[in-house]
Amino acid sequence: SQQGEEDPQALSIQEGENATMNCSYKTSINNLQWYRQNSGRGLVHLILIRSNEREKHSGRLRVTLDTSKKSSSLLITASRAADTASYFCATDSTSGTYKYIFGTGTRLKVLA
Amino acid sequence: GAVVSQHPSWVICKSGTSVKIECRSLDFQATTMFWYRQFPKQSLMLMATSNEGSKATYEQGVEKDKFLINHASLTLSTLTVTSAHPEDSSFYICSARDEAGTGGEQYFGPGTRLTVT
Repeated sequence: SQQGEEDPQALSIQEGENATMNCSYKTSINNLQWYRQNSGRGLVHLILIRSNEREKHSGRLRVTLDTSKKSSSLLITASRAADTASYFCATDSTSGTYKYIFGTGTRLKVLA
Repeated sequence: GAVVSQHPSWVICKSGTSVKIECRSLDFQATTMFWYRQFPKQSLMLMATSNEGSKATYEQGVEKDKFLINHASLTLSTLTVTSAHPEDSSFYICSARDEAGTGGEQYFGPGTRLTVT
């Protein structure tokens, strides 16, 4: 399967703590995106990081990309109960098909 | 930002009937759209690439005769689940690629929840 792997599969933390999720993928990429999905709802785009970028910030989110290791991480600082959701990474390969392949996802639970 | 809509947002149908789901890019044109399926507590699995004016490209293991895709215009792709069965119950999500965007970003629709009884 081309699907990427995310770890941990599930993460439970206290409000105010930081949450780190990791994503590994298998092919060379153009872009990697992180999405959030609340239970039973659609996807919310968080950050896009391009293959020539190493780190990107957006508010309380920090994303890193290591193309040599084919991995990315998403850090959520000072987590809130509202951050409780599933988080997915998605990568598009350099094959020219523009397809995005999603990782397996991390289910984050932030306890108030 | 770019918006992609899906209709309906949820649908319940009886086993054996067909259901059509629409995916529209509202403020940009998209020659390429994608259809994904998501089962409960699982990730999104790419089903097919929808190409405007030509046949869709299906991922391995996806039955093209069961999941009919039509991309008749630059802003609309439809997915028809034919002869639906309970195992087709799932969350279907589309995305559309904005070729005019700087990076050809893709934008996702809100999803359609299909329940087959």
